[in-house]
Amino acid sequence: GEDVEQSLFLSVREGDSSVINCTYTDSSSTYLYWYKQEPGAGLQLLTYIFSNMDMKQDQRLTVLLNKKDKHLSLRIADTQTGDSAIYFCAESIPGTASKLTFGTGTRLQVTL
Amino acid sequence: GAVVSQHPSRVICKSGTSVKIECRSLDFQATTMFWYRQFPKQSLMLMATSNEGSKATYEQGVEKDKFLINHASLTLSTLTVTSAHPEDSSFYICSALNKTGGINEQFFGPGTRLTVL
Repeated sequence: GEDVEQSLFLSVREGDSSVINCTYTDSSSTYLYWYKQEPGAGLQLLTYIFSNMDMKQDQRLTVLLNKKDKHLSLRIADTQTGDSAIYFCAESIPGTASKLTFGTGTRLQVTL
Repeated sequence: GAVVSQHPSRVICKSGTSVKIECRSLDFQATTMFWYRQFPKQSLMLMATSNEGSKATYEQGVEKDKFLINHASLTLSTLTVTSAHPEDSSFYICSALNKTGGINEQFFGPGTRLTVL
């Protein structure tokens, strides 16, 4: 099976950049995703990257993909208190009807 | 974006009773929906894939007779936890697959917190 790992916790000051890291094991995944989960809520898709891309930028979000090392990162520029949440990376499972394997989740705490 | 609702958002029941959770795609049709379970401070665990008009596909280790899934229409899937026990207490999240656009995207419901006493 696939294991997708993330660090458990990250604390940053408001206005600083946050970098959340993810390592995955299935090199044949087509898409990799970043989701945000606020307390007691479902998941919100933030962004995704196709496996043949190295980088994708979307406003304050930058996704970097290193396929050789199976490493994915999400950078949030100018982090705000509203960014405090749990962030999950996820990889698509090849050959399935868009099934996903989720990472362990990183809790981002933004302090003033 | 596409909206997925779940009902109820929170339910408390006695041990031995059955609980039904609904997942609806409000503004798109979804032939495929997914049911996840999330324990406190943990990741989402896929329980089953719900397919409209056919039987659900369960992940390894998930009891299909315990967690009954029905996907009778293109906008509704239900998960029934039968004879619930305290160990079934969890946060259950559904998602609906939207196949329009560039990628197949899962849109998630807000989740249902089940507490079994």
